[in-house]
Amino acid sequence: NAGVTQTPKFRVLKTGQSMTLLCAQDMNHEYMYWYRQDPGMGLRLIHYSVGEGTTAKGEVPDGYNVSRLKKQNFLLGLESAAPSQTSVYFCASRDSNQPQHFGDGTRLSIL
Amino acid sequence: RKEVEQDPGPFNVPEGATVAFNCTYSNSASQSFFWYRQDCRKEPKLLMSVYSSGNEDGRFTAQLNRASQYISLLIRDSKLSDSATYLCVVNSRSGDKVIFGPGTSLSVIP
Repeated sequence: NAGVTQTPKFRVLKTGQSMTLLCAQDMNHEYMYWYRQDPGMGLRLIHYSVGEGTTAKGEVPDGYNVSRLKKQNFLLGLESAAPSQTSVYFCASRDSNQPQHFGDGTRLSIL
Repeated sequence: RKEVEQDPGPFNVPEGATVAFNCTYSNSASQSFFWYRQDCRKEPKLLMSVYSSGNEDGRFTAQLNRASQYISLLIRDSKLSDSATYLCVVNSRSGDKVIFGPGTSLSVIP
């Protein structure tokens, strides 16, 4: 049972490049979330989804887009990467009233 | 006022000590409650769920007081491996919102 899998684990981008982070879960969870965490800071919610085909903005959505075309996958896109988006990105999933399960993160550096 | 607040910390305790963390939440309609731990540069991991009746898992005891909107975590006989940041987490009644507290840092010293 893989749980929540994030790809890639590490990436270095140049300013202005685009990329997509993939989150896949095999637990049939309805809810999925994308967070970012900067050094010494707490988790900040970027976007989330309450089911296949739905997405919603979180606390810091600017500069990011998401899609949930399949229930098991939640994609996070950076259209034009900026140095301020250098961070560790965590994906999580859960069912209603249950705890979140996290992926082990994607470390993204933008030069 | 933040939706979920925790002791600011950091807590520096010797091995074998008992340490207690407190957490308060502002939304009385909150549905479910959890404690997570997060090691440096790692993902948060579920430590335990928190129930109104209180629950215990080895050296860890969690309590929930809905009337006071207060959650606690007690760690007995602290180990060096307990050093981490402890996060209080609250799920909203609506089901979609998950609120993380800012976390409390614990260092267990030899």
